[in-house]
Amino acid sequence: DTTVKQNPRYKLARVGKPVNLICSQTMNHDTMYWYQKKPNQAPKLLLFYYDKILNREADTFEKFQSSRPNNSFCSLYIGSAGLEYSAMYLCASSPYWGGYYAEQFFGPGTRLTVL
Amino acid sequence: GQQVQQSPSSLVLQEGENAELQCNFSSTATQLQWFYQSPGGSLVSLLSNPSGTKHTGRLTSTTVTKERRSSLHISSSQTTDSGTYLCAIVSGGSNYKLTFGKGTLLTVTP
Repeated sequence: DTTVKQNPRYKLARVGKPVNLICSQTMNHDTMYWYQKKPNQAPKLLLFYYDKILNREADTFEKFQSSRPNNSFCSLYIGSAGLEYSAMYLCASSPYWGGYYAEQFFGPGTRLTVL
Repeated sequence: GQQVQQSPSSLVLQEGENAELQCNFSSTATQLQWFYQSPGGSLVSLLSNPSGTKHTGRLTSTTVTKERRSSLHISSSQTTDSGTYLCAIVSGGSNYKLTFGKGTLLTVTP
């Protein structure tokens, strides 16, 4: 089963409120990623977990937080949503191939709308 | 910075016609993947092709590494091929970071 699941599929949030998005995979993959995709823009990597180590991209470092309580689950947390956070959030996972690129498997995404 | 540009941004075909999608990138790519996303669906990897030519089913990808370009040819298009096709590269010493293009929206009409 190469399924990556995301919940919820659609999320409505109010400006200033927190948002928590959930991703799960049962492939025992070491690495889990979060991407943001806005209309007419390319998906952009926000952060990833390799095992229990979180790596956040420099330009979004302060905007997103994440946790990985176990190998299967990973969350994306926004402390105070702004209008600019409205986007599709894609979760992906991949195995670890000893430093070489390993194929990433994507979930269906969560569409976040901030009002 | 790393850039991936795809063309055309959208394409409308009649069923049975062939599609040619282009991907150009500004950095040397150690890995290149083509993805497909159906409306409301997940991103699905179609082909991994950092160099040369690869075939799978009705899909053919040709990547010319020195010229930093890749193409995806879809033969005998079907209505079920409709969706967004994205090109993504791994480059710059990274072994994890995918840099995506904006995608090509393909619509195949009956």
